[in-house]
Amino acid sequence: GQNIDQPTEMTATEGAIVQINCTYQTSGFNGLFWYQQHAGEAPTFLSYNVLDGLEEKGRFSSFLSRSKGYSYLLLKELQMKDSASYLCAVTGFQKLVFGTGTRLLVSP
Amino acid sequence: DAGITQSPRHKVTETGTPVTLRCHQTENHRYMYWYRQDPGHGLRLIHYSYGVKDTDKGEVSDGYSVSRSKTEDFLLTLESATSSQTSVYFCAIGGGPSYEQYFGPGTRLTVT
Repeated sequence: GQNIDQPTEMTATEGAIVQINCTYQTSGFNGLFWYQQHAGEAPTFLSYNVLDGLEEKGRFSSFLSRSKGYSYLLLKELQMKDSASYLCAVTGFQKLVFGTGTRLLVSP
Repeated sequence: DAGITQSPRHKVTETGTPVTLRCHQTENHRYMYWYRQDPGHGLRLIHYSYGVKDTDKGEVSDGYSVSRSKTEDFLLTLESATSSQTSVYFCAIGGGPSYEQYFGPGTRLTVT
């Protein structure tokens, strides 16, 4: 089976940096996704890590350590529009399994 | 944005009635997925399809069936709706397990 853990909620200030952690245990691993979901909307793709290391994409970066079953999403220069839920998902054996998501609240 | 639509967007139905939700794509993706999203549980996979007439179960498939007779359409059926199936249902499309998925706008289903 697969188990994915993320913090339920985080708060941060506009302009700051925030790191959202995700740990996982899985019987098969092909890669790890991060999705963003604004309230009342569909999830949208942010990043995909299959190898260890850091992937940078603008203000967002994602890190993976397969040996530790650990990933994080780093958001820099936070903006109010970054207030959303961030979903960690692990893919393996044809299926994607999501964590329960981390709700990020950005305040002025 | 990926061309993916869901219908209906909102539905209220009574316990015991059959319900069918439709997912339609214009992207010709091979894989299509049905998820439900509930507070405290996140997104959970109900069923998925890896081609026309090729489907498989996800982690919460009990009480649901699916059909895919055309590449562009993936139907989710609740044979006899129960209150526990009140949820937001998302359809997604993608190229396979190692590719990102594009989600439809969701269907909010309430079973009274």
